[in-house]
Amino acid sequence: AQKITQTQPGMFVQEKEAVTLDCTYDTSDPSYGLFWYKQPSSGEMIFLIYQGSYDQQNATEGRYSLNFQKARKSANLVISASQLGDSAMYFCAMRGRNSWGKLQFGAGTQVVVTP
Amino acid sequence: DTAVSQTPKYLVTQMGNDKSIKCEQNLGHDTMYWYKQDSKKFLKIMFSYNNKELIINETVPNRFSPKSPDKAHLNLHINSLELGDSAVYFCASSQRVQVEQFFGPGTRLTVL
Repeated sequence: AQKITQTQPGMFVQEKEAVTLDCTYDTSDPSYGLFWYKQPSSGEMIFLIYQGSYDQQNATEGRYSLNFQKARKSANLVISASQLGDSAMYFCAMRGRNSWGKLQFGAGTQVVVTP
Repeated sequence: DTAVSQTPKYLVTQMGNDKSIKCEQNLGHDTMYWYKQDSKKFLKIMFSYNNKELIINETVPNRFSPKSPDKAHLNLHINSLELGDSAVYFCASSQRVQVEQFFGPGTRLTVL
């Protein structure tokens, strides 16, 4: 069985600062994918970044980077230079190799960026 | 040029009614999904179709019936609606099952 844990229900961050959102996972699949999605107050789900379990390098997409530590089973999202528009709910998700694409989501972390 | 679209965006209905939510994607993807987001924002997969064939069917009451007339469409029909069905329903699609999924805007269903 797979499990995704996000232990931070909410956090405040000041504009222009970096923020790290924690995500740990548990799976017996030898191959898996880790995803982060953003859900602003308008409700849509926006894909941010993907990390494959066999990728040697940590994924980066603009101001987003994924700090992947396989031995610790963690896949933390780092947002650099926070902007007011980053205020949203952030979800970590995992897909196992044999899961037919099924994404297992964490409970989410609510981020509020303050001026 | 919407990638994944859903209709309607809002649906308010009485208990016991039957309703449908439609989803269309113009990304050329071969796999489509339905997710349910409850009032605590928890997201859980309900169904997945690959090339019009059902590949994931989580423990969802059989009042929920998905239908995929073609690769670009995945509809969700719900019979005998109950209060607990109130949620936001998201459609998503991906090219193959191993890559990122793109979500529609969601349909907020309220059962009174």
